[in-house]
Amino acid sequence: EDQVTQSPEALRLQEGESSSLNCSYTVSGLRGLFWYRQDPGKGPEFLFTLYSAGEEKEKERLKATLTKKESFLHITAPKPEDSATYLCAVQAAGSGNTGKLIFGQGTTLQVKP
Amino acid sequence: DTGVSQNPRHKITKRGQNVTFRCDPISEHNRLYWYRQTLGQGPEFLTYFQNEAQLEKSRLLSDRFSAERPKGSFSTLEIQRTEQGDSAMYLCASSLAPRTTQETQYFGPGTRLLVL
Repeated sequence: EDQVTQSPEALRLQEGESSSLNCSYTVSGLRGLFWYRQDPGKGPEFLFTLYSAGEEKEKERLKATLTKKESFLHITAPKPEDSATYLCAVQAAGSGNTGKLIFGQGTTLQVKP
Repeated sequence: DTGVSQNPRHKITKRGQNVTFRCDPISEHNRLYWYRQTLGQGPEFLTYFQNEAQLEKSRLLSDRFSAERPKGSFSTLEIQRTEQGDSAMYLCASSLAPRTTQETQYFGPGTRLLVL
């Protein structure tokens, strides 16, 4: 069964303290791995898509990387406005032509000033 | 460039009542997805449409749930005889069916349902 697990569930950082969020996945063929940011009471906001092992993408203080079993979201020198829940999701090749996303439970990040 | 919109944003109803939610996708997007998210969990897939055709439904979608996408534009999700367990955030996402394997879904703000 296709599955996504994120760790840690919650992370508290001081402003400027860099860290990484982990997303482990098991899928019947990976079509794509997605990172979203979700603020309380709002819908997920798209951040990155990664398609093959070794791929990396960056946006401001965020950098996403992908291996054959997991993805990392690295946060460099975070600011309080980076506080949010970060969701990882996969599209599985075994799902046929559907693009449905399988999500992890998310990592809630709090950055204190 | 408008994003995905959903209405209403919040809905409070009594157990046993019917509710209907609406989603307007990004205008050129031909795929539309519905997800449900409960507190502290990631979204779970419910169903999706390509144009007006409903192509897949999750086993989470009981026979009390029905979704439509007339003319391949906006979509509605109806829940009949609501139960307290239906309380959740209902999210809509849209995408452009990929010419390759690449497809990105963009989410709306969600409709938060509370069943009393």
